[in-house]
This record gives sequence, C-alpha cells and structure tokens, in this order.
Amino acid sequence: DAGVIQSPRHEVTEMGQEVTLRCKPISGHDYLFWYRQTMMRGLELLIYFNNNVPIDDSGMPEDRFSAKMPNASFSTLKIQPSEPRDSAVYFCASSPGTSGRGSSYNEQFFGPGTRLTVL
Amino acid sequence: GQNIDQPTEMTATEGAIVQINCTYQTSGFNGLFWYQQHAGEAPTFLSYNVLDGLEEKGRFSSFLSRSKGYSYLLLKELQMKDSASYLCAVRDVLGGGATNKLIFGTGTLLAVQP
Repeated sequence: DAGVIQSPRHEVTEMGQEVTLRCKPISGHDYLFWYRQTMMRGLELLIYFNNNVPIDDSGMPEDRFSAKMPNASFSTLKIQPSEPRDSAVYFCASSPGTSGRGSSYNEQFFGPGTRLTVL
Repeated sequence: GQNIDQPTEMTATEGAIVQINCTYQTSGFNGLFWYQQHAGEAPTFLSYNVLDGLEEKGRFSSFLSRSKGYSYLLLKELQMKDSASYLCAVRDVLGGGATNKLIFGTGTLLAVQP
C-alpha cells in the first residue's frame, strides 16, 4: 500500500490568499482525519469523516476553515482567507472501520503532512 | 474537560531503560494509544491499551491503569534512533458509544545520549 498521500508537502503563501490542502487516504479505510500541529498546541484534531460524512468538526477553528470529502479516495482542507496564525503542519490520517479489514486496534495512519507558512 | 499530561522533555543514555508517563482526565475512554514522532516526520503507531495491565512489543511496553487514569511507555535497551517525541492519545467516547476520535497530549521529547 502507498500509505496516506498528502499534497503539497510545503506551501508558502501570503496573508489573505486561499490555501487548499489535499489528501488521499489508504484504500479501504473508512475514516479520514485532519489534524494541525504546532509547537504551542501540539496535535489537534480539526475534523474527521466516516464513510465520507463529516462526524465531528468541533475542532475547526473558525469559518475560514472548511473540509470536504467528495469520495472515499479524496479529501480537501481549505483555508480562506489565510492568516499568519494558520502557519502549522497539517496532517491527514486514515483508519479502517470496525467492520472493515485492518487492525483490531483501529489505529490511525498518518500522511507525511503539509507544512504551511502564511506570511 | 479533556486533559492529557506528559512530561515535556526527558533525557536518557544509550542502552538504558526509560519510562514516559501519561495521565489523563477525559469525559470518556475507549483505549489509549502511544505514537512515536521523529522530527519533521509523521506520527507512527507504537502501542494500544484498552484493558488494565502491560502490553509488551519487543523493546517497547505500555501499561494502563484505568482507575488511576494513568499509562506509561517503557523503552528498553535504548538506541540513538529512539530519540523522538512520544505522544499519548486517548480515544474518546460519544453518547455512550465508541468514536474514532483521538485526543493527543502535547508529547514528550526524548533525547538519547551516547
């Protein structure tokens, strides 16, 4: 398996610009998660999907953030407009469902992350 | 509220044993995970505990006490490559049912010295 794929790996943009981060989960996984990691706050869950449906978006900081999962193999996280405080590493992760194949632990497999810098 | 506490940093010597503690106070509990994260890389799964006791996996072991809200990760025969951040995470419960939501601690940065 290729693992979770994220693009771009690095993004530098200016304040006010729109940023779109992309994720392809591991094939067959039912859950997809978006996290943000900073030195100050650690790893924070932003939103997660089960079978393409958003389940918990309580971690999305504000209306400038939105996430979609149009099909089982693709998700986007969009920030519009971006601000310097959005600078962080954004991770996408996926995990198998309880009724699907995969580990009984249902652990999450993380992508390599997108390092976002907003100037 | 949700609260997971870990020491910020630890230092240990190559070949030695180190124990990284994690205490948690969460509204629900459905398992505890340990992840390893090397600098500039993604977190990777190390261990999982849902019942009290010790789970051993090679050089790494993880212990859980649900009544005390406490876990530790034990690393034996430390190697230089074990220098990394170690993240404790609790799987949440929603409405009495299991979710797949993990709440992470801020991590313990372990430095292994020669």
